[in-house]
Amino acid sequence: AQSVAQPEDQVNVAEGNPLTVKCTYSVSGNPYLFWYVQYPNRGLQFLLKYITGDNLVKGSYGFEAEFNKSQTSFHLKKPSALVSDSALYFCAVRRASGTYKYIFGTGTRLKVLA
Amino acid sequence: VTQTPKFQVLKTGQSMTLQCAQDMNHNSMYWYRQDPGLGLRQIYYSMNVEVTDKGDVPEGYKVSRKEKRNFPLILESPSPNQTSLYFCASRQMETSGGLTDTQYFGPGTRLTVL
Repeated sequence: AQSVAQPEDQVNVAEGNPLTVKCTYSVSGNPYLFWYVQYPNRGLQFLLKYITGDNLVKGSYGFEAEFNKSQTSFHLKKPSALVSDSALYFCAVRRASGTYKYIFGTGTRLKVLA
Repeated sequence: VTQTPKFQVLKTGQSMTLQCAQDMNHNSMYWYRQDPGLGLRQIYYSMNVEVTDKGDVPEGYKVSRKEKRNFPLILESPSPNQTSLYFCASRQMETSGGLTDTQYFGPGTRLTVL
């Protein structure tokens, strides 16, 4: 079975500081991993993905994530947070083959304080 | 991806169809519901016209995919536990640069069943 865990309901960080939003996953076989962001009253927007290749993935708005197979983690990071990064972030996983099903985490609310 | 309506209030048992349309010529489309503390859960998905399959929470819902552009979600006899925020998404699998597997989400329909 596939599953995704986002252990923190909310992360607070000061503007200009680095931020990390955590995600761990469980999937049989190779995973495809994703981060999506949801701004208030909007749908989800794609940030970045890991499908294959380099473990460090760079995405939109200066975000990056590192795929760690041994720790089954895919944490989202940004070197310097902006107030405008405040939003709800979702991690998602899909098994690389044999399914069209995605599993999303419960979401982490990021609050960047000015 | 467009969704209509944006808001809807129904009485228990009052049937309703949530509309979803995409103009990106994507083969795959998805329906999710978003509930506090539960994140996004997949209701149904469609890999192509006339090809659909259940997600994790299909009870009380029906879908049809008679044309590539549209993927309506049907609630034949809604109950209060179907009060939720519903998102439709279409999926791009490939670009000229290779495999992408990116979902594009609509703005959502907020449904309340009394």
